[in-house]
Amino acid sequence: EAGVVQSPRYKIIEKKQPVAFWCNPISGHNTLYWYLQNLGQGPELLIRYENEEAVDDSQLPKDRFSAERLKGVDSTLKIQPAELGDSAVYLCASSLEYPADTIYFGEGSWLTVV
Amino acid sequence: KQEVTQIPAALSVPEGENLVLNCSFTDSAIYNLQWFRQDPGKGLTSLLLIQSSQREQTSGRLNASLDKSSGRSTLYIAASQPGDSATYLCAVENYGGSQGNLIFGKGTKLSVKP
Repeated sequence: EAGVVQSPRYKIIEKKQPVAFWCNPISGHNTLYWYLQNLGQGPELLIRYENEEAVDDSQLPKDRFSAERLKGVDSTLKIQPAELGDSAVYLCASSLEYPADTIYFGEGSWLTVV
Repeated sequence: KQEVTQIPAALSVPEGENLVLNCSFTDSAIYNLQWFRQDPGKGLTSLLLIQSSQREQTSGRLNASLDKSSGRSTLYIAASQPGDSATYLCAVENYGGSQGNLIFGKGTKLSVKP
């Protein structure tokens, strides 16, 4: 069974440019998460989806970040414009049900803003 | 606000040694606690999940315990191997509020030397 797939794995952009990350969760998983992980830190939740509904986006910086999960499957996380402080790893994860099931993480999209 | 602390931040041991990683959390009203492993450049892999009503979980050479009242969990690794070298992250999921929001510690970076 395929795991959580993310792309691109690595991205280098100049500040003020836009960037988008894509996530394909495990088939049949209704819950999808986007986490931000800074160097040397644990991941922090940005947004959680139940099917296509964003049920927790309280920590998403809405001035520059946006996300969508069309048809309740794949999801895209966008940053526009990117700032130097956005350099981090963006992790997508999914789980079969909510709450408290094992959460499966993708390998992350590593962003460097120069 | 839930806070998760992991001690030590880094640990280096010789192969074959038994070791303990510590995790503490400030709010005991948790739904569950999970231990994850993260290899360099990779996403997170769930190792053990302990429901709030449980005291411990075991998987192979790994044993995780949970003392909810004192806000502590330990991950015991028996007969460590070089392949165990990774960062180990502890995460708790809270009742109420942002359920499904895992609160992570900063991790313990483990190095097992041959």
